[in-house]
Amino acid sequence: QQQVKQSPQSLIVQKGGISIINCAYENTAFDYFPWYQQFPGKGPALLIAIRPDVSEKKEGRFTISFNKSAKQFSLHIMDSQPGDSATYFCAAIVSGNTGKLIFGQGTTLQVKP
Amino acid sequence: KAGVTQTPRYLIKTRGQQVTLSCSPISGHRSVSWYQQTPGQGLQFLFEYFSETQRNKGNFPGRFSGRQFSNSRSEMNVSTLELGDSALYLCASNDAGNSYEQYFGPGTRLTVT
Repeated sequence: QQQVKQSPQSLIVQKGGISIINCAYENTAFDYFPWYQQFPGKGPALLIAIRPDVSEKKEGRFTISFNKSAKQFSLHIMDSQPGDSATYFCAAIVSGNTGKLIFGQGTTLQVKP
Repeated sequence: KAGVTQTPRYLIKTRGQQVTLSCSPISGHRSVSWYQQTPGQGLQFLFEYFSETQRNKGNFPGRFSGRQFSNSRSEMNVSTLELGDSALYLCASNDAGNSYEQYFGPGTRLTVT
C-alpha cells in the first residue's frame, strides 16, 4: 500500500529555473514530512523537513510548501543548478514512529546547464 | 561527528546463501533503522532497533532479521537468499529523542546470483 504518492517521476529543468516536486498522502497520522536527496552511489541525505502545523519552510534555495487540508506537500528548488541533479524523495513519519520513514517513489531531477 | 558507516559496501552472494550486513550509527544515536532500495519498489522500511529491541517492523518475510548491540551498532541478516533480494540496503540512525531526523549511511550493495 503506497501511502505517499510522489510526482513527477522525472523532471528536466534549465539552469536557473524552478524545480517543483509534489507529494500527496492519505494517512492523517503523519506528522513529520522530510525530503531527501540522493546522488548515485550514495545514501539519501536529509535536505529539509516540515511539521503539519507550518505551511512553509525555507532553507536557502529549498522550500517546502505544506497544505494540510489537501494532504499535499511540495519541494521547490529555486535557481536550480546542475549540481542539484539527483533523485529526490519525499517521506512521512507517523506520530511516535520516529524510526519508520514511508517514502514516495522518487523524482529524478536533471538540471541542464 | 562521524556519519553512519556500513560494511561491507559491496557483496556478491549465491542463491540459498545467507548474508550479514553491519551498520554503525552516529555517535550518541540509539535508534537504527534498515531500508531496502530497489528500482522497482523504491525505498522500503525493513525494521527499526532501539535499545537492543526491535521497535518497528516492515512487511518483509522472516528471512530478514536484525539485531542491535549494546553500543547501538546493528546487523541485519538475510537467510536463504533469493535473486529478488538484490538491492541496496541502507541503514539510518536517529537520536531517538524528540528529533525525527534520520541520517543514512552509504548502503551495502548486495547482488544475488
